[in-house]
Amino acid sequence: DTGVSQNPRHKITKRGQNVTFRCDPISEHNRLYWYRQTLGQGPEFLTYFQNEAQLEKSRLLSDRFSAERPKGSFSTLEIQRTEQGDSAMYLCASSFWGAQDFGGYTFGSGTRLTVV
Amino acid sequence: EDQVTQSPEALRLQEGESSSLNCSYTVSGLRGLFWYRQDPGKGPEFLFTLYSAGEEKEKERLKATLTKKESFLHITAPKPEDSATYLCAVPDNSNYQLIWGAGTKLIIKP
Repeated sequence: DTGVSQNPRHKITKRGQNVTFRCDPISEHNRLYWYRQTLGQGPEFLTYFQNEAQLEKSRLLSDRFSAERPKGSFSTLEIQRTEQGDSAMYLCASSFWGAQDFGGYTFGSGTRLTVV
Repeated sequence: EDQVTQSPEALRLQEGESSSLNCSYTVSGLRGLFWYRQDPGKGPEFLFTLYSAGEEKEKERLKATLTKKESFLHITAPKPEDSATYLCAVPDNSNYQLIWGAGTKLIIKP
């Protein structure tokens, strides 16, 4: 297992276009998270899955954002009708969640999105 | 309100000059405090988890300590390759979300 893999590493898109990112987590991990990070800030929670179920979605996340995790394996994050404010680093992380053990996250290298 | 505050925002040191980074938190019922290192253009890399006041963890030139209100990341005799942004995070009252500090950007000059 080579860790959490994210593709693409960089994406430049025109405002109004749709984009999709992919995340392949560590296979033994049962949780997958999506975060967004802007310069000089810590990661901001977007959504997470436990196995194939999407259990929570940030209230800050607009309806233009959607995430899927078919069969509890890889996950995709789609942003529709991109806006310049969507420009950020999109991070995927996975962890093993056990009773009373939050566990440490393993992050991917992220996808840098630039909306022009 | 649950909150994590890191200081300083940035720290410039000469190689070999030891110092400490601070992470203060306000959350009820601490269920762990996490330290991560982040290099430019990359995702955060896990360093340590601390669970209870008085606990200490070490890795190479880094040592993390925890009190009831804050955590310190001590760096001893740093090298230029220790330059990075160091982030800390704590779980909130949910069972899924971490509250993150904004990080301390550490620059070690040769």
